[in-house]
Amino acid sequence: NAGVTQTPKFRVLKTGQSMTLLCAQDMNHEYMYWYRQDPGMGLRLIHYSVGEGTTAKGEVPDGYNVSRLKKQNFLLGLESAAPSQTSVYFCASSYSGKGETQYFGPGTRLLVL
Amino acid sequence: RKEVEQDPGPFNVPEGATVAFNCTYSNSASQSFFWYRQDCRKEPKLLMSVYSSGNEDGRFTAQLNRASQYISLLIRDSKLSDSATYLCVVNMGNYGQNFVFGPGTRLSVLP
Repeated sequence: NAGVTQTPKFRVLKTGQSMTLLCAQDMNHEYMYWYRQDPGMGLRLIHYSVGEGTTAKGEVPDGYNVSRLKKQNFLLGLESAAPSQTSVYFCASSYSGKGETQYFGPGTRLLVL
Repeated sequence: RKEVEQDPGPFNVPEGATVAFNCTYSNSASQSFFWYRQDCRKEPKLLMSVYSSGNEDGRFTAQLNRASQYISLLIRDSKLSDSATYLCVVNMGNYGQNFVFGPGTRLSVLP
């Protein structure tokens, strides 16, 4: 089992460019999450999904969109990147979402110039 | 007030020392509690869940005090490999989307 994987690992964007981050999990988990982590702050939830075809907003959704067309994949899109979106992005998944362990991917480091 | 607060750190301790981290949370209705470990430039990984009665896993002991709304993590006989950032995580609802992460406390164990 690969667990949770993320692509790309690192990306540099110019302000206004768009990109998509891909998260994949092979554990048959229902719940998937996108977080961002900034220095001195805890991970903050951007969007999450409770199952294939569903998505919902988290704490900091502005500037991001997501899609969950397949159960194993959760995509995070930045339509028009801004320097404030420079961060480390982590995807996570959990089996049922009822407060049990979340498994994280290795992260994507994004720099927006 | 932040929802989950942790000791600011960093903690620099010699090998073999005992070190304790504290975490406080704001929502008295919080359901479950965890300690995650995050190595430098890596993803967070579950260290242990925290149960009301307290629980131990080898050199690690976690305690929960619901009345005072704080959680602690005790590491005994510190090893060099324990150097990492320790994240306190509180589930403030019934589901995973209600996980709130503390900012973390960094530990460096020195030879």
